[in-house]
Amino acid sequence: SAVISQKPSRDICQRGTSLTIQCQVDSQVTMMFWYRQQPGQSLTLIATANQGSEATYESGFVIDKFPISRPNLTFSTLTVSNMSPEDSSIYLCSTLLAGSLSHNGYTFGSGTRLTVV
Amino acid sequence: GDSVTQMEGPVTLSEEAFLTINCTYTATGYPSLFWYVQYPGEGLQLLLKATKADDKGSNKGFEATYRKETTSFHLEKGSVQVSDSAVYFCALLYSGAGSYQLTFGKGTKLSVIP
Repeated sequence: SAVISQKPSRDICQRGTSLTIQCQVDSQVTMMFWYRQQPGQSLTLIATANQGSEATYESGFVIDKFPISRPNLTFSTLTVSNMSPEDSSIYLCSTLLAGSLSHNGYTFGSGTRLTVV
Repeated sequence: GDSVTQMEGPVTLSEEAFLTINCTYTATGYPSLFWYVQYPGEGLQLLLKATKADDKGSNKGFEATYRKETTSFHLEKGSVQVSDSAVYFCALLYSGAGSYQLTFGKGTKLSVIP
């Protein structure tokens, strides 16, 4: 399976600012997913990012608030824009290996714990 | 839509105790079911999976059986260890065409004390 390096692991940010989270994968992956895990809640999918195309956002998430880049098959960023305390969550990236439709192909980053003050 | 409900935590057990974490689901069609584990400071790791009714997934002493009649996928372990302390997530993947989105439960935190 792929290995993901996600950073930063945690950050404390001022409201109104933006934070960019990076995920670097050690192999080429077809799909990358960005999730949010609010305190006491399950993981909620924010968007799916495929290389070479616009990210697909889930209901309740918009590109202006969570712009995503996917410049190549091993890297993606998620930006949390104009932050408010309600954005305090853990953000995780996940990948599905290129050419793999196997359910074993999902790999997760270690997460970014964001606190907005 | 698809959803997963798992028992509320936290769960605290003594070492060598029996563990059950309940998970039920609602889904259209015939989903695949998973248990993921998140150790402190690490990402989610696939613990076990089952892709059809009556399948039993097992790994590291953990087991879960896909029960279509009760729409359940309860996680069990006969004798937990301190190293099993982690957050456990039940998840499903609807095996529809072009669907790759995992739906997760809220997670259950397990603490095992010596």
